Amino acid sequence: AQKITQTQPGMFVQEKEAVTLDCTYDTSDPSYGLFWYKQPSSGEMIFLIYQGSYDQQNATEGRYSLNFQKARKSANLVISASQLGDSAMYFCAMREGFAGNNRKLIWGLGTSLAVNP
Amino acid sequence: NAGVMQNPRHLVRRRGQEARLRCSPMKGHSHVYWYRQLPEEGLKFMVYLQKENIIDESGMPKERFSAEFPKEGPSILRIQQVVRGDSAAYFCASSRTWRGDTYEQYFGPGTRLTVT
Repeated sequence: AQKITQTQPGMFVQEKEAVTLDCTYDTSDPSYGLFWYKQPSSGEMIFLIYQGSYDQQNATEGRYSLNFQKARKSANLVISASQLGDSAMYFCAMREGFAGNNRKLIWGLGTSLAVNP
Repeated sequence: NAGVMQNPRHLVRRRGQEARLRCSPMKGHSHVYWYRQLPEEGLKFMVYLQKENIIDESGMPKERFSAEFPKEGPSILRIQQVVRGDSAAYFCASSRTWRGDTYEQYFGPGTRLTVT
């Protein structure tokens, strides 16, 4: 069963506006971590932001923030003041478990973001 | 301050040949992960290794695929007798020794394998 769902295959946003990329997840483990990665057309995978299941506050990293709604099992990425360089694929990923050897990341199918000038 | 290194960046193999993909983790990182990305899809976990140990290989195909992370040298993902369906981008990631809940996996640039 797919555990990470990204329902938006493609999104458009005007430069300098904010955009929200959706991510919902499914897990029965009370301990988990949620990640967002960016993949530009050059192909590399760039870490953006992390949210732990026990974190009390939403994570923020510069123009990136994570809207974490635990009860809804959603972890949406908000990009403020979009720039042309933000055009890329964005992937949501989850790691189940807090400790031990279960460190693999489970990935969504991604959202393609295009920033228009 | 080198990141995760992968080579080659592009690899072309004929059906039936062997493919060897190499990954050098970031300095100070002792955990390596391999993921595969098929066209138009997200990444799929393949294997997680520490030095000289395979920790989790639940995502590895049962046949033709193997991985190692020796005491010295890079991690190797080996695909024997490649088929067209093996064509994909293969990403390696590394992370530091786990302390606490927060860590991120740093990714290499990927190796794009094309099987002709």
